[in-house]
Amino acid sequence: GAGVSQSPSNKVTEKGKDVELRCDPISGHTALYWYRQSLGQGLEFLIYFQGNSAPDKSGLPSDRFSAERTGGSVSTLTIQRTQQEDSAVYLCASSLGLTSANLEQFFGPGTRLTVL
Amino acid sequence: AQKITQTQPGMFVQEKEAVTLDCTYDTSDPSYGLFWYKQPSSGEMIFLIYQGSYDQQNATEGRYSLNFQKARKSANLVISASQLGDSAMYFCAMRGGKAAGNKLTFGGGTRVLVKP
Repeated sequence: GAGVSQSPSNKVTEKGKDVELRCDPISGHTALYWYRQSLGQGLEFLIYFQGNSAPDKSGLPSDRFSAERTGGSVSTLTIQRTQQEDSAVYLCASSLGLTSANLEQFFGPGTRLTVL
Repeated sequence: AQKITQTQPGMFVQEKEAVTLDCTYDTSDPSYGLFWYKQPSSGEMIFLIYQGSYDQQNATEGRYSLNFQKARKSANLVISASQLGDSAMYFCAMRGGKAAGNKLTFGGGTRVLVKP
């Protein structure tokens, strides 16, 4: 399909393990965003990539969280030494990434992470 | 800092009636964009409508309209002629100008249940 894809759709892990979540943005979209949605809550910004610029990491909750974007396309969000409070749905979005403020962000289906 | 407030955690609406979802925001950026997203139980985030801070007219998209009152910093969503398929969580979000980065700041959401 032509939308944002994420994998895996569900991930169950044990406390203390590392996890990697993957996002494939829409082709041609230069901006990529990661958000986290805890149960019954709104979305919380994590990190933002725009082209070759340094990412905006201001939303990462701790140094256990990191993300990279290879070749300006696919992104991986890594959570090290997972904690139970990391359990949430992790949503990826992409946009054309131009400077205009009205560009819609297209969201992927999310990865539901459960830390036991 | 940007902040979005949705004061209605949940509401019922009768099918075919109109419903207004409240959203207030706070930002020091003169240029910003306001978005509404719908999140059905399936989890995907569906873009509904956008309003730019410099737009003179209220945005409309089919049965969705945005009541933008800039002086009051409010951007309420009006859904006309509610349908059963409108039952979902609705999120108001704001994207700031360059100084604020391009991330979306979300409100806590309003759950709408349309009754037949």
